[in-house]
Amino acid sequence: EVHLVVSGGGLVKPGGSLRLSCAASGFPFSGYAMNWVRQAPGKGLEWVSFISSGSSDIQYTDSVKGRFTISRDDAKNSVSLQMNSLRAEDTAVYYCARVGSAIDYWGQGTLVTVSS
Amino acid sequence: DIHMTQSPSTLSASVGDRVTITCRASQNIHTWLAWYQQTPGKAPKLLIYATSNLGSGVPSRFRGSGSQTEYTLTISSLQPDDFGTYYCQQYNVYPWTFGQGTNVET
Repeated sequence: EVHLVVSGGGLVKPGGSLRLSCAASGFPFSGYAMNWVRQAPGKGLEWVSFISSGSSDIQYTDSVKGRFTISRDDAKNSVSLQMNSLRAEDTAVYYCARVGSAIDYWGQGTLVTVSS
Repeated sequence: DIHMTQSPSTLSASVGDRVTITCRASQNIHTWLAWYQQTPGKAPKLLIYATSNLGSGVPSRFRGSGSQTEYTLTISSLQPDDFGTYYCQQYNVYPWTFGQGTNVET
């Protein structure tokens, strides 16, 4: 069974940094691309970042380019999102999700709150 | 960016009803369209991928169709577990984009 367990959320001041981690199990992690998707409180879904199998293709939504960095460690079956220069509008639940047939499995999400 | 527009935004329905949700893309997405269901406090769940393919374990009452810029999700007979918010999403080009959501309520 596929499991994606996200950690690292919390409260951070504007301009601060936070690192999210996602531990994957139940599937051959190195063979799959991974995503981060976020959802602001009471709002819809917003795709944030993508990393391919082998890390050869990395993509970001425009609003996080230059501030967020996605990476993966296939030896540890994990994907991370380093978030710098955080803004109030980055406040959201962040989901780690696998890319198979579309975004086929989602983790439970972690809340990131950017506030002074 | 490709803009995805869902209609309606809210849909009132009863158990047993046939439900149809429409998703329109601002340009041709070549059937790279997925549908997700989200219930309060939970992560989204994949229902349909590549326009018309059922996700793992998804009941056959869910059906997806469409082409180019117009796509539809149909639930043939609404069940109690089907209430929640539905999102379409294009994954033809980056940035991947979602519709604003359709809330299916009683």
